[in-house]
This record gives sequence, C-alpha cells and structure tokens, in this order.
Amino acid sequence: GQQLNQSPQSMFIQEGEDVSMNCTSSSIFNTWLWYKQDPGEGPVLLIALYKAGELTSNGRLTAQFGITRKDSFLNISASIPSDVGIYFCAGRTGNQFYFGTGTSLTVIP
Amino acid sequence: EADIYQTPRYLVIGTGKKITLECSQTMGHDKMYWYQQDPGMELHLIHYSYGVNSTEKGDLSSESTVSRIRTEHFPLTLESARPSHTSQYLCASSEFSTGNYGYTFGSGTRLTVV
Repeated sequence: GQQLNQSPQSMFIQEGEDVSMNCTSSSIFNTWLWYKQDPGEGPVLLIALYKAGELTSNGRLTAQFGITRKDSFLNISASIPSDVGIYFCAGRTGNQFYFGTGTSLTVIP
Repeated sequence: EADIYQTPRYLVIGTGKKITLECSQTMGHDKMYWYQQDPGMELHLIHYSYGVNSTEKGDLSSESTVSRIRTEHFPLTLESARPSHTSQYLCASSEFSTGNYGYTFGSGTRLTVV
C-alpha cells in the first residue's frame, strides 16, 4: 500500500501553545483527510481537503492540501486539554484511502 | 450521534473460541472496512467490501473472515481466537458517489484473548 509519513510522531505541549503537524508521501493524492482519535474511541473526521492548495479551517483547526498533492499539514491554535489524542492523516487515490502513522498529542495544563 | 455501530465494545475471551465482531451502519453506504489497531499505533486495513457479496482482503494479513450479505451489516469472524489477535478492531464505512469521501468510524471493539 501507499506510505504516508506523519511528523512528529508525538508532541508534548503546554496549554495555549499552537501545534503544527504534517503528513508527507511520495505518492500523489486526490483528497486529504485529517482525523482525531480519542483514547478507546474510533477516529472522528476533523477536516477534508479536495483541491491542491486548498486551505480549510474548522474552529481552531486549519489544514492545507499541499500544492504538490503529496503532503498536507494540520495546525491547531491555542491548544486546550481536550485536544489530547492521536491525529491521523489519510490520503485518497482512486477508491482507496491510506492512513498515516499518527501524531500523538499531549497537552499539559 | 453514531451512524455506525460496533458490538461488543470490549471482549475478553479464551484461546480457541470462535467470535464474531458486529458492525452495522444506517447511512446506506456501499463501502465498508475493518481496521486493526494496536493501542496508540497506526491503522491497518484487514478487510473491505464495496457492496453486497463483495469482500476483499486488505494490506495486513489476517486470520479473520468477513461477510457482506446486507448493505448495512459487515461482521468479522475469528474461527479460533489466539492471544496474537488481541487488538482494537475498527469498522468504517464510506460513500464516494455523493462526493463526501470521508470514512465514518465506529467506536471500535477492544478484543483481549487470554
């Protein structure tokens, strides 16, 4: 399958700080998705990106579809304790989505 | 509110037992998927279905089997559970034709084989 590399693998930040994570691949994707997974739950869709260069916000979250279509980033502004979880990117090619390796976020109050 | 339901949420079972993990969705999605995920780790696709009577194996080899007799139902079966099957199993569904490409995930089944 396709390989999507997420970085960083884990982050420990203070409450109120901004967060930035990204997802890169050697393959071109037609859609990028960002999910958040709380402990013991299934992933929940945060943001969907459908066009190269697209920049989309959802509250304190902002994500961008890279111009090369091989990468995407997710920013979280003014982090709060409930932002804790694992964030996954997913890229679509054809009818198949491929998931990244995940970024684990810990927010210290 | 959840539109995709997985049962049970937690299961502890002895080695050698046969188990079936249930997954149902009420969205009428054609495509359904099973992922295996160890705690805090990445998702591995083990089975998928693009419609009734269609099932395929995913990227990760699995000793489980699936069936898709009805659109809304996609159960996963382990004929003889082993400790190596201990993991979280996530079911998901999607519908590309509407232009909404996102997967909707269930809450997962945490399986422990002792």
